Amino acid sequence: EAGVVQSPRYKIIEKKQPVAFWCNPISGHNTLYWYRQNLGQGPELLIRYENEEAVDDSQLPKDRFSAERLKGVDSTLKIQPAELGDSAVYLCASSLARSETQYFGPGTRLLVL
Amino acid sequence: AQSVTQLGSHVSVSEGALVLLRCNYSSSVPPYLFWYVQYPNQGLQLLLKYTSAATLVKGINGFEAEFKKSETSFHLTKPSAHMSDAAEYFCAVSDNTDKLIFGTGTRLQVFP
Repeated sequence: EAGVVQSPRYKIIEKKQPVAFWCNPISGHNTLYWYRQNLGQGPELLIRYENEEAVDDSQLPKDRFSAERLKGVDSTLKIQPAELGDSAVYLCASSLARSETQYFGPGTRLLVL
Repeated sequence: AQSVTQLGSHVSVSEGALVLLRCNYSSSVPPYLFWYVQYPNQGLQLLLKYTSAATLVKGINGFEAEFKKSETSFHLTKPSAHMSDAAEYFCAVSDNTDKLIFGTGTRLQVFP
């Protein structure tokens, strides 16, 4: 069974540019999460989806970050415009349902110059 | 509020030696506790989890962890380290609202 797929794996952009990350969860997983992992830190939840609905986006910086999960399957996380402090690894995870084990993708490593 | 403290950002052991990675938690409700491992350029993989059943939890790759409420600890151990155990290890806590709070991680190095 395929795991969580993320693309791109690496992205380098200049500040003020937009960037988007894509995630395809494990088939059948209804819950999808986006985390941000800063260098030397543990992951921090940005947003959680139950099917198409964002049920916890309290940690998402809404002035520049947006996310969507159309049709309740794959998801896109966007930053516009990017700032230097957005340099981090963006991890996507999915689970069968709320409170079930979360399975993580390999992440997208973003560098903002 | 919940939090996790991992003591020691780096731990080095010789191959075959005991591995001990420390994790202390803070939670106002009975916690769910997790250990994840992250290999270079990979996502996190669940090693084991405690969900209020047995206090000694066995995970994959020979790892285990013991929940000690009196010490608010959930330390990860493995009797004999292998070179392939070299990775970053994260402890996490949840109150079963689905939100994981991660520690800052411990990088394990294994020397031959």
